[in-house]
Amino acid sequence: QKEVEQDPGPLSVPEGAIVSLNCTYSNSAFQYFMWYRQYSRKGPELLMYTYSSGNKEDGRFTAQVDKSSKYISLFIRDSQPSDSATYLCAFTYGGTSYGKLTFGQGTILTVHP
Amino acid sequence: DAMVIQNPRYQVTQFGKPVTLSCSQTLNHNVMYWYQQKSSQAPKLLFHYYDKDFNNEADTPDNFQSRRPNTSFCFLDIRSPGLGDAAMYLCATSRGLTFTDTQYFGPGTRLTVL
Repeated sequence: QKEVEQDPGPLSVPEGAIVSLNCTYSNSAFQYFMWYRQYSRKGPELLMYTYSSGNKEDGRFTAQVDKSSKYISLFIRDSQPSDSATYLCAFTYGGTSYGKLTFGQGTILTVHP
Repeated sequence: DAMVIQNPRYQVTQFGKPVTLSCSQTLNHNVMYWYQQKSSQAPKLLFHYYDKDFNNEADTPDNFQSRRPNTSFCFLDIRSPGLGDAAMYLCATSRGLTFTDTQYFGPGTRLTVL
């Protein structure tokens, strides 16, 4: 079983739609949960991070974590063509563990006008 | 105002011919990482440096080596590239090793092995 499962898509939505991106994980040691965005021919950039179950909002983006189900989601409201990118979930450990990130394989999102 | 710079952006090499990829940073960060990202796959950490302290992932093949001559530069050496080493190689930096130390990625070098 893979440590992280992420539906690769691709996902194509019209401008203004609500987008839901999801990852499941199997490693109970993961304590911190992140979403990275990767534009074509660019490196990933951190979009949001959280460490507790529940929701965290940042503008049009909401990160949701359910530790009991080992499931995280990223919601994008009022999606824009500029949101077209690959979205990667990422996980890391707590405590004194070093900052090794375990990524999902990414979901390709296209928002068309 | 590029912060993590990778050269070259595209590299073509022949099977078995050594190749070196370069990463430099203007952030003065302590940690530098190398990730391998194969097509449609998750980035996979190969190794990282904390200052001059090298940390290799257990499953990184011996074919991959790294050098960090100073704070700003880090190199990835592939001694004898195989067809399976064709991938995007991503360099990242962070101030420290805690989860709150955001990793900043470069644009990557796409390696093709003929």
